Order: sequence, then C-alpha cells, then structure tokens
Amino acid sequence: GAGVSQTPSNKVTEKGKYVELRCDPISGHTALYWYRQSLGQGPEFLIYFQGTGAADDSGLPNDRFFAVRPEGSVSTLKIQRTERGDSAVYLCASSTLPPGGEQFFGPGTRLTVL
Amino acid sequence: TQLLEQSPQFLSIQEGENLTVYCNSSSVFSSLQWYRQEPGEGPVLLVTVVTGGEVKKLKRLTFQFGDARKDSSLHITAAQPGDTGLYLCAGAYFNKFYFGSGTKLNVKP
Repeated sequence: GAGVSQTPSNKVTEKGKYVELRCDPISGHTALYWYRQSLGQGPEFLIYFQGTGAADDSGLPNDRFFAVRPEGSVSTLKIQRTERGDSAVYLCASSTLPPGGEQFFGPGTRLTVL
Repeated sequence: TQLLEQSPQFLSIQEGENLTVYCNSSSVFSSLQWYRQEPGEGPVLLVTVVTGGEVKKLKRLTFQFGDARKDSSLHITAAQPGDTGLYLCAGAYFNKFYFGSGTKLNVKP
C-alpha cells in the first residue's frame, strides 16, 4: 500500500511569501504529526492532529505557522510571511496508535526561503 | 532545546567493527524509539522500547532502555556499509516525540 506522501518535494520561495505544504497520510491513520528538520539536527515537533483537531500545537514557532486537517486525512501546513530561518525540511508522519505508536514518515518537503 | 542528547555526533568506522550510540536525557519517557534516516528520506522506525531495563535485538542491532527510562543505547555488531545512515532516538512525552540530534554513521568497506 501507499506510504505517506508529501508535496511538493522541493519548494523555493522568496522572503515574505506565503507557502502551503501538503501531507497525505496512510489511509486509516488517525494521528498526523508535522516536524521540521534543520540541517544536522533531528526532527523538531511542530503539531499533532488526532482526527480533524489539533491535539497539540505547542511546537509551532509563532503565529505565522498554521496547519489544518479538515476531513481527518490530508493535512496542510501553512506558513505566512516566510523568513530565511524557515528554511528546513518539513516532515509529516502518520500513526494509528498515538502517542508512542509507530510513526510512518513521508520523504519531506525541502523549503528554501531566499 | 533538545531534551535528548545523542553521542557521538559522527562515527566513521571500518566494516566489521562494533559500535555503540548513546541517547541520554534528564527526563523520563513513556517509550523510546530508534530510527534510521537516509539522505532525502524520512526516518524509518527500527524499534520501540517501553519497559525500563528492556533489551531488544534486531539481527546485529541491540537496543537497551535504561532502568529509569531516561536513556537508551544502540549497539551494532560487525557493522556493514549498509548500516551507514543517520541514527535518531526519539522519546515519547505526553502527546509528542522529542528527537535527539542524531548520530551520523559511516561504515567504510
């Protein structure tokens, strides 16, 4: 079966622009996580969805970052007024047994803000 | 802020050697996971340990969870070039996972 997919795989944007990153989780997985991974670092938690609701958004760095999952499946991470410091790989993972269950990660979206 | 500290950060060894990677924290975790990540891909789960003192073996890989559930180690016996990659530990704490900064392993043939 299909794994977690993320689009686009690469996104280059200019400082100040708005971007949307999409995550398609494994069918039937109720939990969805977003992480950000900077070069040479491990993934950093951003937000966790259980179904349609954000169960924990404490990792979002500021109010420029927002994520939705309107139908409990696909999720979109939205970044407003992008800054150069937002450049990183954004990873999405889905799971059936949160928290503590196996997370299946997508390949990530590499965001570059010029 | 990294709740989990991994060491060493980098490790370059010859095929056939043994190695141990450490993951330490001052926090107690409900479970701890080890992942391996290849360039351009997301992390892939290797193992989950839940009970303090637990030891799990996966072929040449041995994982141990500390008695106090604050630390863990990954030991690889007779490393092979195919073991090359970034090894990450992640602790489950309430609703989320905290990842270490990773150990980049290079096994030379």
